[in-house]
Amino acid sequence: DTAVSQTPKYLVTQMGNDKSIKCEQNLGHDTMYWYKQDSKKFLKIMFSYNNKELIINETVPNRFSPKSPDKAHLNLHINSLELGDSAVYFCASSQFPSRETKYEQYFGPGTRLTVT
Amino acid sequence: AQKITQTQPGMFVQEKEAVTLDCTYDTSDPSYGLFWYKQPSSGEMIFLIYQGSYDQQNATEGRYSLNFQKARKSANLVISASQLGDSAMYFCAMREGRYTGNQFYFGTGTSLTVIP
Repeated sequence: DTAVSQTPKYLVTQMGNDKSIKCEQNLGHDTMYWYKQDSKKFLKIMFSYNNKELIINETVPNRFSPKSPDKAHLNLHINSLELGDSAVYFCASSQFPSRETKYEQYFGPGTRLTVT
Repeated sequence: AQKITQTQPGMFVQEKEAVTLDCTYDTSDPSYGLFWYKQPSSGEMIFLIYQGSYDQQNATEGRYSLNFQKARKSANLVISASQLGDSAMYFCAMREGRYTGNQFYFGTGTSLTVIP
């Protein structure tokens, strides 16, 4: 049973196109995240949702729009793709932090986006 | 200032030896969590170990232990009895803020190579 799944795993597209990446978790977590990992392996948080509400929105272009239809899903839509958007995008989920829980993040397998 | 600093871009260790991967962090929040993740060449992110800021004892998980020195703000990962399968990128991360939005920060990673 896959805990955090992402589709597609690979995405090759041309500049200017619009694309979406889907993420689903079956862990019962209430918080989900999107990360971008660049070619130098640097991981940066983009968005975080708790119970379908946006709680972290880092400085990312507004061409990126997350959508959370329910607690188990967090999709990422990207408009007008640019060359610099090429990266691996990871979805993750966790419980919201409390002193009693580890709330470690569980990551999806990643989506490698290549913009040509 | 960097929230998480990993000063070793690459490390080598002989099989069956122990290795320490360094991590320092920067926060003024009294409540935070520290994590280590492993990313093998296949790309997935694997949670290894967690240390809470209020935990009195160093965390251990099998061959992994976290050397937590709160006053020095360091959270080094110790891998004992290295195995070839330990060759991977290792990321130190911090969750900051108990109720302020679940912000996670990642370091730039350390590439570990285990030599047979």
